[in-house]
Amino acid sequence: EDKVVQSPLSLVVHEGDTVTLNCSYEVTNFRSLLWYKQEKKAPTFLFMLTSSGIEKKSGRLSSILDKKELFSILNITATQTGDSAIYLCAVHNYGQNFVFGPGTRLSVLP
Amino acid sequence: KAGVTQTPRYLIKTRGQQVTLSCSPISGHRSVSWYQQTPGQGLQFLFEYFSETQRNKGNFPGRFSGRQFSNSRSEMNVSTLELGDSALYLCASSETQEPYEQYFGPGTRLTVT
Repeated sequence: EDKVVQSPLSLVVHEGDTVTLNCSYEVTNFRSLLWYKQEKKAPTFLFMLTSSGIEKKSGRLSSILDKKELFSILNITATQTGDSAIYLCAVHNYGQNFVFGPGTRLSVLP
Repeated sequence: KAGVTQTPRYLIKTRGQQVTLSCSPISGHRSVSWYQQTPGQGLQFLFEYFSETQRNKGNFPGRFSGRQFSNSRSEMNVSTLELGDSALYLCASSETQEPYEQYFGPGTRLTVT
């Protein structure tokens, strides 16, 4: 059965800190890995990764995929209180199914 | 483009009743997926529709069903509601070609009493 694991499940940091969120997966017929940010309602799309070793970057957020070791990391530098959210990792397989991890709840304190 | 819309946003039902939720995807998106999100289980895949056909199904009982119309709008139905069906139901739409990014609607919060 396809599985996505995220760690840590919960994290509390102070503004300005750098955080690394982890996502590992066991999925047949891997197509892509996606990161989402969920605040109060629907998850919002952050990144999609398909190729190993190529970093995707958007402002203070960046992510990279390792298809050999089956994991991805999401880095957030110089965290702000507005980064407080649940960060979801999902894997898309060729069966057109998206499998989500449990999420990492990030709290950024002022 | 307008985003994914879901109606209603909030719903309160009693055990044994049935409910129908609606989702309108982003214009041009033909794939619609439904998810159930609960604090204990996280985000779980219910089913996916493409061109009016169910293409994938998660591990949910037959009380959960759905359909898609020719305009790609989708509905999800839950019959004989149970307390455990209380959750946020999210709909997501995606394109059918690369990059397959999936965009979520605001969700329908269902409370079963």
